[in-house]
Amino acid sequence: DGGITQSPKYLFRKEGQNVTLSCEQNLNHDAMYWYRQDPGQGLRLIYYSQIVNDFQKGDIAEGYSVSREKKESFPLTVTSAQKNPTAFYLCASSSPGTGKNTETQYFGPGTRLLVL
Amino acid sequence: AQSVTQLDSHVSVSEGTPVLLRCNYSSSYSPSLFWYVQHPNKGLQLLLKYTSAATLVKGINGFEAEFKKSETSFHLTKPSAHMSDAAEYFCVVRQSGTYKYIFGTGTRLKVLA
Repeated sequence: DGGITQSPKYLFRKEGQNVTLSCEQNLNHDAMYWYRQDPGQGLRLIYYSQIVNDFQKGDIAEGYSVSREKKESFPLTVTSAQKNPTAFYLCASSSPGTGKNTETQYFGPGTRLLVL
Repeated sequence: AQSVTQLDSHVSVSEGTPVLLRCNYSSSYSPSLFWYVQHPNKGLQLLLKYTSAATLVKGINGFEAEFKKSETSFHLTKPSAHMSDAAEYFCVVRQSGTYKYIFGTGTRLKVLA
């Protein structure tokens, strides 16, 4: 089955610790995204990548880092600089289209990050 | 700049009655619009998308949405609510010429027995 996998489902972070969230897709999509979701709020874009070895900051990139060494993988690191990391993190992917062609984003099941 | 506004943060309906979730967008171009559903602690699932081929878009699970350019609206409807429809719903617009998507703040649908 094609899809997006995220691991782990739950992640605990200690103060001062960096943690990495995994995102893998086998949809052969070029673009991948990381969103943060807080209770009662919509999704906010952290980083996105249009192609391998390239990525752009989203609206709330501070305290996060990413890499895109392979088309199918887009890991997110939550660094110690992120002072309020408790949230639900969602990874998504999409394939490009032009003009009237619309792109559908497909989402993974999410990772809930909690601070100890 | 493009944006979406979901007019209701919470909607409650009785099982078997119609559902209406409202979404307004702002866009200088012909927009690409989507509705997603999210059940608790799950990822988002696509319900339907507007591709400019038809103004009335049919999606999964009996949902549909009508694109009204004159009203800049893309409201989501379902004739008869089911208990399993209880979830959060997001209206999304794709930012023209980019890979970015703009999300509404969500509408939480409650279905009463």
